[in-house]
Amino acid sequence: EAGVVQSPRYKIIEKKQPVAFWCNPISGHNTLYWYLQNLGQGPELLIRYENEEAVDDSQLPKDRFSAERLKGVDSTLKIQPAELGDSAVYLCASSFLAGGMGTDTQYFGPGTRLTVL
Amino acid sequence: AQKITQTQPGMFVQEKEAVTLDCTYDTSDPSYGLFWYKQPSSGEMIFLIYQGSYDQQNATEGRYSLNFQKARKSANLVISASQLGDSAMYFCAMRERNTGGFKTIFGAGTRLFVKA
Repeated sequence: EAGVVQSPRYKIIEKKQPVAFWCNPISGHNTLYWYLQNLGQGPELLIRYENEEAVDDSQLPKDRFSAERLKGVDSTLKIQPAELGDSAVYLCASSFLAGGMGTDTQYFGPGTRLTVL
Repeated sequence: AQKITQTQPGMFVQEKEAVTLDCTYDTSDPSYGLFWYKQPSSGEMIFLIYQGSYDQQNATEGRYSLNFQKARKSANLVISASQLGDSAMYFCAMRERNTGGFKTIFGAGTRLFVKA
């Protein structure tokens, strides 16, 4: 069974440029997460989707970050414009919750390492 | 207050010996879950083990076991018979309920070095 797929793996851009990351979750997983991981720290949630609905986007900086999961499967996270402080690893994870019940064990993709110059 | 605390920034262990990585947590949700993940230098977070707050037995998965002490709010990971490939960052995480459903919070991690 294929795991969580993310692309690109690495991205280098100049500040003020836009950037987009793509994630395809494990087949059948209805919940999708985007996390930000700074060097030497644990992941921090940016946004969580249950199917197409963003159920928790409280930590997403909405002035420059946006995300979508139009058909309840794959998702795109965008930053426009990027700032120097956005340099980090962006992780996507997915899980399966049935009626809001379950362990919510999350399986992660390899991440996208973003460098903003 | 920190929700998840991992007090050991780095740990060394001799190959083939056991090692314990510490984790304490804080929550008012009676139905929570605890996870451990491994993150090698390649960057991918690998799920290792899960413990539910109502589970009576400590969780085990191969060489990994979770020493769950509910009253102390402690969820230490024990790795038996360490291997060189166990060298990585290890993250403790807690799932609790919030207004949006579930939320999972990660600790700052412990870097484990396995010596030959």
